[in-house]
This record gives sequence, C-alpha cells and structure tokens, in this order.
Amino acid sequence: GAGVSQSPSNKVTEKGKDVELRCDPISGHTALYWYRQSLGQGLEFLIYFQGNSAPDKSGLPSDRFSAERTGGSVSTLTIQRTQQEDSAVYLCASSLGQGKSSYEQYFGPGTRLTVT
Amino acid sequence: ILNVEQSPQSLHVQEGDSTNFTCSFPSSNFYALHWYRWETAKSPEALFVMTLNGDEKKKGRISATLNTKEGYSYLYIKGSQPEDSATYLCASPNTGNQFYFGTGTSLTVIP
Repeated sequence: GAGVSQSPSNKVTEKGKDVELRCDPISGHTALYWYRQSLGQGLEFLIYFQGNSAPDKSGLPSDRFSAERTGGSVSTLTIQRTQQEDSAVYLCASSLGQGKSSYEQYFGPGTRLTVT
Repeated sequence: ILNVEQSPQSLHVQEGDSTNFTCSFPSSNFYALHWYRWETAKSPEALFVMTLNGDEKKKGRISATLNTKEGYSYLYIKGSQPEDSATYLCASPNTGNQFYFGTGTSLTVIP
C-alpha cells in the first residue's frame, strides 16, 4: 500500500518568508510525528499527534513553528519568518500508535528546506 | 530529554565481515528501543522494536539484543554485504512518546 508521503521534496526560501510542509500519513495510522535533521545532527523530535488528542508540542524549537493535523490524517508543519538555522531535512513519520511507543514508525521521504 | 548515544560514529568493513555497534540509553523509565536503517536517498526503515529486558530479535543477517537494566542495545550484522551500507539509528521514547534518536552509526561495506 501507499507509504507516508511528504511535499514538497525540496524547498528553497528566503529568510523571513513563511513555509508550509505537508505530510500524508499511512491510512489508519493514528500517531504522527515530525522530526528534523540539521546538518551534522541527529533526528530531533518536534511534535507528536495521537488521534484527536491535543498534540505534544514540547519539541518545537520556537513559537515560529506550528503544526496541525486535520481530520486525524494530513498534517502541516508551518514555519513563520524562516531563519537560516531552520535549514534542515524535515521528516514525518506515522505509526499505529494508540499511545504505545512499541509500534514501529514509518517515515516519509522528507522535505529538504534551505533558507537563503 | 533522553540522552541516547551510539557508537561508533562510523564504520568501514570488508564484504563478508561481521560487525556490531552499540546504542546506549537511560535505564530508568524505559519504554522501548527502536532500531532504524537509513539508506542514502531513502526514508528511515524500521528494523526492530524491543521492549523487554533480554529481548533478542533477528531479521535475516541482522540481529539485536537489549539490556534495559544497564541501558544498552547491540545491533549485529553477520556477513556484511554492500547493500547493508547505511546509517543505523536507535531511538527511545520518554513517557510522552517523544522519541530521542542517537546520531547514528554510518556503516560502509567495501566490496
């Protein structure tokens, strides 16, 4: 079946502009995660959605970052007033979840964001 | 914040060699340990999810063990092949399902 998809695959934007990154999880997966990998760094947790519950936003690095998940499916990560340090690969993952961390995550191909 | 560490950072082995690398994590409040393989230009792919102390899992030539009391997991690859070349990541969640990833071990298998 279809895996996790993300769009765009690449995004180049000017400093100060807003960007939206999209994630389509696997159908039926209730848990959705956003991560980012900056150059030379490991994967950094950003935000976690579980079903219709309030998301865990504790990993968002600043109030310029926000995310929503509509209808328990598609998610959008928005970065306002982008800065050069926001340049990274942004990965989305979904899992069967149900609040249990023992389910494997399925990752999308990522969006490479470059802020010039 | 969970401190998840992996070693070595990178590894070069000859085709046919067996190899292993380590993931260490806090042993208190343990929930699960995930291993992922991330090949260049692809998405990370789950290898194993382990939850119980003493767990051993195997998938083909790759296996993993878990020691939750001392806070480490080993990943073993038997008879490495060039297609095993990838970055291997481990991750562990905290109570809130925030996953903390190590920086990975980059494996290169030389034909």
